[in-house]
Amino acid sequence: QKEVEQNSGPLSVPEGAIASLNCTYSDRGSQSFFWYRQYSGKSPELIMFIYSNGDKEDGRFTAQLNKASQYVSLLIRDSQPSDSATYLCAVIDGANSKLTFGKGITLSVRP
Amino acid sequence: DGGITQSPKYLFRKEGQNVTLSCEQNLNHDAMYWYRQDPGQGLRLIYYSQIVNDFQKGDIAEGYSVSREKKESFPLTVTSAQKNPTAFYLCASSFRDRRGYTFGSGTRLTVV
Repeated sequence: QKEVEQNSGPLSVPEGAIASLNCTYSDRGSQSFFWYRQYSGKSPELIMFIYSNGDKEDGRFTAQLNKASQYVSLLIRDSQPSDSATYLCAVIDGANSKLTFGKGITLSVRP
Repeated sequence: DGGITQSPKYLFRKEGQNVTLSCEQNLNHDAMYWYRQDPGQGLRLIYYSQIVNDFQKGDIAEGYSVSREKKESFPLTVTSAQKNPTAFYLCASSFRDRRGYTFGSGTRLTVV
């Protein structure tokens, strides 16, 4: 069974700090990696995806992928109270387009 | 605008009743998915379909049924055999590649 693990939360950071969210996956054949943000009572929205080893930056968000360690992370710089949400890590393997999700980690940014 | 539409937003089911949740997309996506979300449980896959007239069970298919007669539509029926149906139901769609999903806004089902 393919698994995606996210470190247990909740995570609380002060406004302006860097929030670091981590995720590990079990299937070495995984090829594509996604971070979704979900506000309470709402559906998930895609905020970052990464395919290659290394870093990918988009505004205040940076996704980091290390396939050798089977590890993907999301850094949020200059955290804002509006970043308070649950963040879901998701992984696609090479066989089909089906995503496997982690359970999510809840981030709280304190004003 | 292209998107994925779920209806209704809220649904109440009586004991022993079947209910159908609607999911329609105009993104020309090939694949569609149904997930269930319970507090603290993350997203659990119920059914998915990669092409019209074909679908596969996910991790928690018991008590649910689906059909995929059109590319744009993937309705989910919650049958009376599903003993604990109260949850947030999410429909998603994607191309058959590695670009990830687009989610609908969800249906919150409550047993009364």
